[in-house]
Amino acid sequence: ETGVTQTPRHLVMGMTNKKSLKCEQHLGHNAMYWYKQSAKKPLELMFVYNFKEQTENNSVPSRFSPECPNSSHLFLHLHTLQPEDSALYLCASSQERRGLAAYNEQFFGPGTRLTVL
Amino acid sequence: GQQLNQSPQSMFIQEGEDVSMNCTSSSIFNTWLWYKQDPGEGPVLLIALYKAGELTSNGRLTAQFGITRKDSFLNISASIPSDVGIYFCAGLYSGTYKYIFGTGTRLKVLA
Repeated sequence: ETGVTQTPRHLVMGMTNKKSLKCEQHLGHNAMYWYKQSAKKPLELMFVYNFKEQTENNSVPSRFSPECPNSSHLFLHLHTLQPEDSALYLCASSQERRGLAAYNEQFFGPGTRLTVL
Repeated sequence: GQQLNQSPQSMFIQEGEDVSMNCTSSSIFNTWLWYKQDPGEGPVLLIALYKAGELTSNGRLTAQFGITRKDSFLNISASIPSDVGIYFCAGLYSGTYKYIFGTGTRLKVLA
């Protein structure tokens, strides 16, 4: 299933740069997620948007700023990042069925490999 | 915080062998998902499990939702070189949409 696309696939930025990651889902889903994947660590949930409303901010530093203009698009704006923020950033989407959380399978994009110098 | 223990962390096997891996939790989950991730790519959903005791297959892959609802197992039969990758489990608490992910099992298949 490749219904979730992410751009760019690779990004190298300095600590003073400002950049944005983009995610688009073509699955008609109404929930979108940002995850951080670091080496030898479990996937870390960062943000959740449900019907374009942010429903979860998992104690993410303010240098990461999400934006969800509609149910198909999700952005992650980056500024003044630190080298330890280097990781694979994954976007996912799911069809939230209120009251039927057990059926909310998440589908992932290919990720953006971010390197902060 | 809640953790999922996934084992083994890595496996080296011969082509044609069967593979087993599992995830355990101290809490009860309502849903278990199994994903495979290739290098440089995002996780791809393999199997979803929704009921305790459920056994579901997808080709050579079979996964089971443990009776206690605190564990899940994934088996791969007759492994082939393209099975190489990292396999993740993910569990979902009742009434939430926040999945908890395991640390992954890295599988390498020797031809």
